[in-house]
Amino acid sequence: GDSVTQMEGPVTLSEEAFLTINCTYTATGYPSLFWYVQYPGEGLQLLLKATKADDKGSNKGFEATYRKETTSFHLEKGSVQVSDSAVYFCALSDRGGSEKLVFGKGTKLTVNP
Amino acid sequence: DGGITQSPKYLFRKEGQNVTLSCEQNLNHDAMYWYRQDPGQGLRLIYYSQIVNDFQKGDIAEGYSVSREKKESFPLTVTSAQKNPTAFYLCASSVPGQGHFMNTEAFFGQGTRLTVV
Repeated sequence: GDSVTQMEGPVTLSEEAFLTINCTYTATGYPSLFWYVQYPGEGLQLLLKATKADDKGSNKGFEATYRKETTSFHLEKGSVQVSDSAVYFCALSDRGGSEKLVFGKGTKLTVNP
Repeated sequence: DGGITQSPKYLFRKEGQNVTLSCEQNLNHDAMYWYRQDPGQGLRLIYYSQIVNDFQKGDIAEGYSVSREKKESFPLTVTSAQKNPTAFYLCASSVPGQGHFMNTEAFFGQGTRLTVV
């Protein structure tokens, strides 16, 4: 079945450091890929998405590229801020497969000043 | 403002009680979903509905029930059959394409934290 694997946290960085959160997926169809962010005590918000191979999603300085050859969608940011501290979820929706939104387990990021 | 509203934010349940979590959306979305979030386990799908008067079980439906009598509302009942109900519950909605989330964003509520006392 469809699945998403993301790097385990927690991840702790200093402000202005470079961030990478790895995400790989398994899908039977042709998935759309998403990154969601959850701030403490809140629901999830869509951060960015990509719907086909080689697409790059970007928002608020975060980027992720849909790599079909490596089945990956790694999240990156060049310079993190304290306000980026949150839990980040990689997810997929598989056209032709399960077609449900499948989430990774989440990666908690803490950015220290 | 359009959005999705969950209530209450905190809910306490005694052993053996049924409780109902509310989820309302004014986004005119056809599809609605309930997820359960536990520490270290990510989100797991409980039930989903693509249209009024229809819903399907997700991955962990046992001990839960839902109804979808109106497009705007998708309440979740946690029954006494759910042996470990303490968790954070998230409701979501979307405009489904050819599938539940194809190419579309899911909008989430702020969640309800349920605790058994």
